[in-house]
Amino acid sequence: DTGVSQNPRHKITKRGQNVTFRCDPISEHNRLYWYRQTLGQGPEFLTYFQNEAQLEKSRLLSDRFSAERPKGSFSTLEIQRTEQGDSAMYLCASSPQLVGYTFGSGTRLTVV
Amino acid sequence: GQQVMQIPQYQHVQEGEDFTTYCNSSTTLSNIQWYKQRPGGHPVFLIQLVKSGEVKKQKRLTFQFGEAKKNSSLHITATQTTDVGTYFCAGSGSARQLTFGSGTQLTVLP
Repeated sequence: DTGVSQNPRHKITKRGQNVTFRCDPISEHNRLYWYRQTLGQGPEFLTYFQNEAQLEKSRLLSDRFSAERPKGSFSTLEIQRTEQGDSAMYLCASSPQLVGYTFGSGTRLTVV
Repeated sequence: GQQVMQIPQYQHVQEGEDFTTYCNSSTTLSNIQWYKQRPGGHPVFLIQLVKSGEVKKQKRLTFQFGEAKKNSSLHITATQTTDVGTYFCAGSGSARQLTFGSGTQLTVLP
């Protein structure tokens, strides 16, 4: 048990549908990150929260993606009008500072 | 934007042989971190290096941070089958998040 929980573990959706993923970080960690990983690649940064404030967002993140962390605890990542190119592993990580991210097990999204 | 490159992309070694992966950044880094991802798993934090020229050891693993703080290496002595996985370096410069390299996938043949 890594301490960072992600749900669901797997999601299969039809192209054009909306999907939402949830991340519960380690409770003492005020920093929360979302990354996306495709096969054979390293994790790619999507967005970063410090407490409830979304402080950074990747320029690669289209307006179909939105993330929230309403009370500075859990976070959700929503993808609207999914495309096949969105198929990937979506990883959430938390840390108390910019050291040693603890990753969750990820949500694997397949868009068919 | 900041880019972090790793070589080699793949490495197959015989059990007992040494292994090294190299990481290079396009910009000076404030720190560099290393992660290991087992097949089917998620990245797990190994270590952070902060100082120019810093060397840290964890049992059979030796991590180095270059003098210019733009490159790093991970060396594993006498690999074991438990070392199998993909090793990622990740650096932060002025940004508040880590930029990950593409990883080196290590296969250890028994």
